[in-house]
Amino acid sequence: EPEVTQTPSHQVTQMGQEVILRCVPISNHLYFYWYRQILGQKVEFLVSFYNNEISEKSEIFDDQFSVERPDGSNFTLKIRSTKLEDSAMYFCASREGDAYNSPLHFGNGTRLTVT
Amino acid sequence: RKEVEQDPGPFNVPEGATVAFNCTYSNSASQSFFWYRQDCRKEPKLLMSVYSSGNEDGRFTAQLNRASQYISLLIRDSKLSDSATYLCAVNMGGGSSASKIIFGSGTRLSIRP
Repeated sequence: EPEVTQTPSHQVTQMGQEVILRCVPISNHLYFYWYRQILGQKVEFLVSFYNNEISEKSEIFDDQFSVERPDGSNFTLKIRSTKLEDSAMYFCASREGDAYNSPLHFGNGTRLTVT
Repeated sequence: RKEVEQDPGPFNVPEGATVAFNCTYSNSASQSFFWYRQDCRKEPKLLMSVYSSGNEDGRFTAQLNRASQYISLLIRDSKLSDSATYLCAVNMGGGSSASKIIFGSGTRLSIRP
């Protein structure tokens, strides 16, 4: 069964550094998402992406965040200057988009630790 | 009012019991709804989509009540392996494929032998 893959599984970085989280969505999917989950808290929407542009973003997704689809397969989330409170699990998800009720399929996540 | 709300639980029930969760949503234009299961420190996995007329998948039944803006999940004959956090998810865009999908905070279920 096709799946969403994320790398790395765990990233440790120092406060103020830039990180790039990578995702390869399912190949025939058209809509891409990033979510984050702080330990013990809910899964929070960050951004949705379609046709090479952001569709929607949350209040969390401020100027330090950016997304890109640099080629036909990768979908990246960049955090420009990490803060301690950015420590969380980051999940990439994709959906086929053919029908309004097409569900999200999640990758295994990248655990980001900012020290 | 929060966009999507769930009772956090925990629900602690014996094996074989029937358990039900509700989830309320604020946007009356929302048209697509889902239930996910999340195990500790893992990604959410789709359990089932929720259709207008209600739908069943084995021991799991999902219902939608548009008038009261909630969805429900019923688990019959619960198994130890059903222990997890159950997340409801709502497409807030009224059917738009590119819109945000918001998750509830999840309901923790623990099945005891």
